[in-house]
Amino acid sequence: DTGVSQNPRHKITKRGQNVTFRCDPISEHNRLYWYRQTLGQGPEFLTYFQNEAQLEKSRLLSDRFSAERPKGSFSTLEIQRTEQGDSAMYLCASIHKAQAETQYFGPGTRLLVL
Amino acid sequence: EDQVTQSPEALRLQEGESSSLNCSYTVSGLRGLFWYRQDPGKGPEFLFTLYSAGEEKEKERLKATLTKKESFLHITAPKPEDSATYLCAVQRGSNYKLTFGKGTLLTVNP
Repeated sequence: DTGVSQNPRHKITKRGQNVTFRCDPISEHNRLYWYRQTLGQGPEFLTYFQNEAQLEKSRLLSDRFSAERPKGSFSTLEIQRTEQGDSAMYLCASIHKAQAETQYFGPGTRLLVL
Repeated sequence: EDQVTQSPEALRLQEGESSSLNCSYTVSGLRGLFWYRQDPGKGPEFLFTLYSAGEEKEKERLKATLTKKESFLHITAPKPEDSATYLCAVQRGSNYKLTFGKGTLLTVNP
């Protein structure tokens, strides 16, 4: 595995439904980050994990959002009761435990809420 | 609060026409300044990290420089395949999270 992978790549849902995205980081990358990007904007930080511990959450992350990283491997981001304003690209990034600093991004999951 | 402003928002060049993109930042205790390239519908692709004023890094037709208040991404003799959105981001603190600008959309015409 040479890169961060995310699934699904695209998701269309109806308002009020729940959705879950998955991110698989690069092997031996102990830090994992979630960002949200809307059209014409740069990515905005949502939350991050060091191993299995969720260490910081942005105020952008309302109580409808929850993220997990069981066993410090893959991570999931769930959005409950989706709203049209949740439509965005959700990006995952990871950092190698020894190289630090540089975040490598996955291809993203594009969410459209109808 | 950290702030990153990129200019111009969009830039159209002819193939071979060199130019520069600007990234102005306000951050307390900069750990690093990052440049990424993003193609439509894809995740950002890492280009450079700059750590201190005066530092420069090069990769093919791209050269990134850093001062205490801004960074420049110089593109020399661009080709159509250089067309993309270029994102600048700053990092501080031990959490390593990134604060991004809105990006510059670069179009290089053949």
